[in-house]
Amino acid sequence: DAGVIQSPRHEVTEMGQEVTLRCKPISGHNSLFWYRQTMMRGLELLIYFNNNVPIDDSGMPEDRFSAKMPNASFSTLKIQPSEPRDSAVYFCASSAQGRNSPLHFGNGTRLTVT
Amino acid sequence: GEDVEQSLFLSVREGDSSVINCTYTDSSSTYLYWYKQEPGAGLQLLTYIFSNMDMKQDQRLTVLLNKKDKHLSLRIADTQTGDSAIYFCAETISDYKLSFGAGTTVTVRA
Repeated sequence: DAGVIQSPRHEVTEMGQEVTLRCKPISGHNSLFWYRQTMMRGLELLIYFNNNVPIDDSGMPEDRFSAKMPNASFSTLKIQPSEPRDSAVYFCASSAQGRNSPLHFGNGTRLTVT
Repeated sequence: GEDVEQSLFLSVREGDSSVINCTYTDSSSTYLYWYKQEPGAGLQLLTYIFSNMDMKQDQRLTVLLNKKDKHLSLRIADTQTGDSAIYFCAETISDYKLSFGAGTTVTVRA
């Protein structure tokens, strides 16, 4: 089991540029989550997919953020245009079918927007 | 308050027991979790407890749940240097949504 795989591990970009973060969930897991972690706000749920369908995107900060899950093994989180306040660690997590199944987190993407 | 609350820092001597405390918000939460985050890594599930339990033990880890006071604790016996990390308490607030505390940074000193 390779776990949840995220890429890139680090991303440094300039304000205004488009950023795309990628995630491969654990095979067989049908729930996928994108979280953002900052010192000020802790862990925030951005969006939740179930069976590739976005169920709850209420945590997406604004229209500059979008997420897709074209198939069961891949998801992207895109920020366009990026701003310095988007600097954070972005985590993808997946879980198996079932109520309150434990989350398995990837190692995150550290995003720095200058 | 409406947030899951944890103390921010804990320093413990190697070999001693660590106790990390958490206050959660929703008495109807089904599961309560402890996650561990090491530097540069994601959160790793350590253990969890179902809300109808008072205690759960798993090797060096003991979880105690006081539903009346909405208090959850994690005890790590014989703390080792590898236990240095940030520990997050989390409660279920829906079928899929967790509310996380701010994390307790545990530092193990020799």
